[in-house]
Amino acid sequence: EPEVTQTPSHQVTQMGQEVILRCVPISNHLYFYWYRQILGQKVEFLVSFYNNEISEKSEIFDDQFSVERPDGSNFTLKIRSTKLEDSAMYFCASSERVGLSSGNTIYFGEGSWLTVV
Amino acid sequence: RKEVEQDPGPFNVPEGATVAFNCTYSNSASQSFFWYRQDCRKEPKLLMSVYSSGNEDGRFTAQLNRASQYISLLIRDSKLSDSATYLCVVNINGGFKTIFGAGTRLFVKA
Repeated sequence: EPEVTQTPSHQVTQMGQEVILRCVPISNHLYFYWYRQILGQKVEFLVSFYNNEISEKSEIFDDQFSVERPDGSNFTLKIRSTKLEDSAMYFCASSERVGLSSGNTIYFGEGSWLTVV
Repeated sequence: RKEVEQDPGPFNVPEGATVAFNCTYSNSASQSFFWYRQDCRKEPKLLMSVYSSGNEDGRFTAQLNRASQYISLLIRDSKLSDSATYLCVVNINGGFKTIFGAGTRLFVKA
């Protein structure tokens, strides 16, 4: 089965540092997403991306966050100046068509666990 | 009111039991509905879509009531491998924004 791959699987960073989380979506997918899950809490939508621009973003996705598709395969999430509360699992996801609908599935990567100290 | 609300559980059931999970959503413009499964510290994985007419996939049955803004998942003949957190998921805004419930934890015991 095709899969979304994410790197790194785990990163520890100091507060105030910049972090880039990387994702390789499934090759024929056109829609890309980032979600986060703080330990013990629910999965939270951050942003969706299509055609090289943000389609939708949540209140969490403030000016500290940015996304980019620097080449034909990678999709990155940058956190400019990390805070303690950014510690979470960050999931990248992709889908062939937009969002969740009948016959369309959002595939998640295994996640990047970010620890801010 | 939370956008997607679920009973957090945990539900502790013996193998072979039938268990039902409920979910309510607040946004009447919600368009698509799903159940995902998440194992501990793993990524969410799609379990099944939820259709207005109700749908079944093996031991799993999902129901949607748009008037009551209510979704359910029924698991029959529970297996040990069904132990996981079940996430109610709602899609809005033309599909670009996905809202997850906090999940219902299920433990199936031998």
